[in-house]
Amino acid sequence: QPVLTQPASLSASPGASARFTCTLRSGISVGTYKILWFQQKPGSLPRYLLRFGSDSDKHQGSGVPSRFSGSKDASTNAGLLLISGLQSEDEADYYCAIWYSATWVFGGGTRLTVL
Amino acid sequence: QVQLVQSGAEVEKPGSSVKVSCKASGGTFSKDIISWVRQAPGQGLEWVGRVIPYTSRINYAQTLQGRVTITADISTNTAYMELNNLRSEDTAIYYCVLNDASGWVWFDPWGQGTQVTVSS
Repeated sequence: QPVLTQPASLSASPGASARFTCTLRSGISVGTYKILWFQQKPGSLPRYLLRFGSDSDKHQGSGVPSRFSGSKDASTNAGLLLISGLQSEDEADYYCAIWYSATWVFGGGTRLTVL
Repeated sequence: QVQLVQSGAEVEKPGSSVKVSCKASGGTFSKDIISWVRQAPGQGLEWVGRVIPYTSRINYAQTLQGRVTITADISTNTAYMELNNLRSEDTAIYYCVLNDASGWVWFDPWGQGTQVTVSS
């Protein structure tokens, strides 16, 4: 079972909100880890969006709008990326990552379609 | 703002080695960390490893341990990623990216990427 699991795809309408999940493998508690989120638009370089460890341990990437935010759901053992007020330009692949066993581990990514 | 400039595309045969460079332009590595991430065609991001230049501390992805070597030259502000015993599945774009000294903040933009193609 992968360390991090992300749904392959997500669709949402312009102006709506999108909720991305990054589920940690059983036995790895989301409360222990800081979750990093990245965005990659087609044909572009990846971009660091934000880090979420807790409400007192979070960081927004340079130039990343506040409509991008992170959180955690302990009940599902998942890190969450929330995008509000979706725009067509948000269409991209989104990856989560954690620092696990002295290595960075990425999730498989979720492709967001804004339609 | 520091820009990362990577070396050009490489085509290598299976079993050979490749060395990719990443030079900080317009600044220095300072106390930053340099991470390497790769992306196979149509696939997601995969972390390769990282180096902390001022301490020479290095971490590698477990899947590449033994085949990858990451180094950094502070005098030239250049980091290197060498991958040995190349396989077709190593075909990917290799990116370098700066992290802050804590490792918890990643800086944009990443290096422009280096296409490595492994083919007989």
